Amino acid sequence: GAGVSQSPSNKVTEKGKDVELRCDPISGHTALYWYRQRLGQGLEFLIYFQGNSAPDKSGLPSDRFSAERTGESVSTLTIQRTQQEDSAVYLCASSGLPGGPVEQFFGPGTRLTVL
Amino acid sequence: GQQVMQIPQYQHVQEGEDFTTYCNSSTTLSNIQWYKQRPGGHPVFLIQLVKSGEVKKQKRLTFQFGEAKKNSSLHITATQTTDVGTYFCAGPLNTGTASKLTFGTGTRLQVTL
Repeated sequence: GAGVSQSPSNKVTEKGKDVELRCDPISGHTALYWYRQRLGQGLEFLIYFQGNSAPDKSGLPSDRFSAERTGESVSTLTIQRTQQEDSAVYLCASSGLPGGPVEQFFGPGTRLTVL
Repeated sequence: GQQVMQIPQYQHVQEGEDFTTYCNSSTTLSNIQWYKQRPGGHPVFLIQLVKSGEVKKQKRLTFQFGEAKKNSSLHITATQTTDVGTYFCAGPLNTGTASKLTFGTGTRLQVTL
């Protein structure tokens, strides 16, 4: 596709349930980031994938959060046993097309609401 | 740890007034990027600065990279309501073997008539 896509766009779940968020980066981008953004707040870094290197998981807030990336394509962010504090917009961004622009391209985000 | 901070956190101006946001890194940066996030939207890339002391302009927006490459500023002349949003700076901070783009804390701009 032309840009970064994320699904679902909105997710409402009950406390304690697991959720899986998907990110399709721009084709060929080697770097992929996940961020969390609470209402009115800044971007909270969660995890960073760069090519075949081990991911930087330093931003994951707890062991309930995990993410995977298949090669240099789709990534999924999984939140287990969701809590109300997990309610936020989860943004995915990709960058790093060899020889191309260096900026991050963001997807539209997934708005997660935990009841 | 390595951080990128921005001030102010929030500014409210009347249309026509100028606005400046400042970005400070705890370490020297190879480059600095600026992004704008409109309310309800996602961050969108504005510009990248690479050279020490570099100044770039985009219409009413002026971006500057400090001589020491540890700070940057974004100045908007004669703000308009279309400038409303949150402005983030971002720079690559080394994390072991990788260089991770790290976003600043952001400055939210509100413009009223």
